[in-house]
Amino acid sequence: GESVGLHLPTLSVQEGDNSIINCAYSNSASDYFIWYKQESGKGPQFIIDIRSNMDKRQGQRVTVLLNKTVKHLSLQIAATQPGDSAVYFCAENRSPGGGNKLTFGTGTQLKVEL
Amino acid sequence: DTGVSQDPRHKITKRGQNVTFRCDPISEHNRLYWYRQTLGQGPEFLTYFQNEAQLEKSRLLSDRFSAERPKGSFSTLEIQRTEQGDSAMYLCASTKNPRENTGELFFGEGSRLTVL
Repeated sequence: GESVGLHLPTLSVQEGDNSIINCAYSNSASDYFIWYKQESGKGPQFIIDIRSNMDKRQGQRVTVLLNKTVKHLSLQIAATQPGDSAVYFCAENRSPGGGNKLTFGTGTQLKVEL
Repeated sequence: DTGVSQDPRHKITKRGQNVTFRCDPISEHNRLYWYRQTLGQGPEFLTYFQNEAQLEKSRLLSDRFSAERPKGSFSTLEIQRTEQGDSAMYLCASTKNPRENTGELFFGEGSRLTVL
């Protein structure tokens, strides 16, 4: 399954399928990006990050792709599990040079169906 | 648990009352951030500290809001004369001062404020 962020804030996938969550960012000066997972009633948890000098980074079951040309970021989750159900936020560092202040997108709700 | 801790987790107050939230960051982290999150939205930056110095404040932080980190460890966020629009989750995060402009933020579980 695949989402387009703001236009489709909820993504439903079958357990075991791959999930793709998309995010568009606006600031071409952003040089660092993070994906966070937030479960209901909890604070955001780090999933994976990527610097602007990379276009792909892999973690355990997750891959982040960065396309600076079109200012697009995606999170791919392999073999989606029920525990992956949460809201996923992309965040960007819009202030290169100091602060490490992250700006978050609206988020995408991932629902995993058994 | 050595993560970021926030207190209280939930606060219900009447409009016009003052509230204070506390955040204890991860001990070796010298940067501390406050964010606000409303239902269905991503966290929005409010302010951040490096040690005891408050280095930046968002325009979202009206004059009814004040944050302190007096000894460079825990921080408090006070909201005076609360309004219903202040109802939100207030998230605290911390990180080490990165050498480069990277570094994940470690978030606490948040303090949920409901203003009646």
